[in-house]
Amino acid sequence: DTEVTQTPKHLVMGMTNKKSLKCEQHMGHRAMYWYKQKAKKPPELMFVYSYEKLSINESVPSRFSPECPNSSLLNLHLHALQPEDSALYLCASSRGGLAGGYNEQFFGPGTRLTVL
Amino acid sequence: AQSVTQLDSHVSVSEGTPVLLRCNYSSSYSPSLFWYVQHPNKGLQLLLKYTSAATLVKGINGFEAEFKKSETSFHLTKPSAHMSDAAEYFCVVSDLSGNTPLVFGKGTRLSVIA
Repeated sequence: DTEVTQTPKHLVMGMTNKKSLKCEQHMGHRAMYWYKQKAKKPPELMFVYSYEKLSINESVPSRFSPECPNSSLLNLHLHALQPEDSALYLCASSRGGLAGGYNEQFFGPGTRLTVL
Repeated sequence: AQSVTQLDSHVSVSEGTPVLLRCNYSSSYSPSLFWYVQHPNKGLQLLLKYTSAATLVKGINGFEAEFKKSETSFHLTKPSAHMSDAAEYFCVVSDLSGNTPLVFGKGTRLSVIA
């Protein structure tokens, strides 16, 4: 199974809502990532979890809160977002650690987020 | 530090003709290089990767790329374009040890004309 799944596919939320994005992989990967992608731009790294610990936070606003409950799951909790946060949010995973680090990342299909 | 330059923001080819998407990289370390493809409203799919083995790398869907250290290039080619190849393509660099996050190019949009 070389698939990364993300739910929901689409999400529309108001600026006062709280919602969560979910990501799951069953490849035994120990590194998982959240990216934000605006239209016609490359993905921008937000967070990296390595062995279930947050290893990189690319100065992301606190209204985005990641969580890694176990080695297969990655969540992104959203609260008090702004319209400019509307984007495609991509999850990815890789083997992690000394076996390959950040290389060869497998991406999920993304969640299209619209903030009204 | 690492960086990637995709030399064309948009490439348009006719169906059945060759595809060339150009990528130059800069890396302080021995690089790992990747090409990813993204179809509209989809996630990224790995096309191929270079990780210091053979310099000519074959990927999925008939794509291949050649690592040229002297030219710091990693151009993506395909002998004959298909309509389904129309998508956004990203050239990506990391270091061979995998200890640095991926660095993405700005992307090249490939259009295929019937």
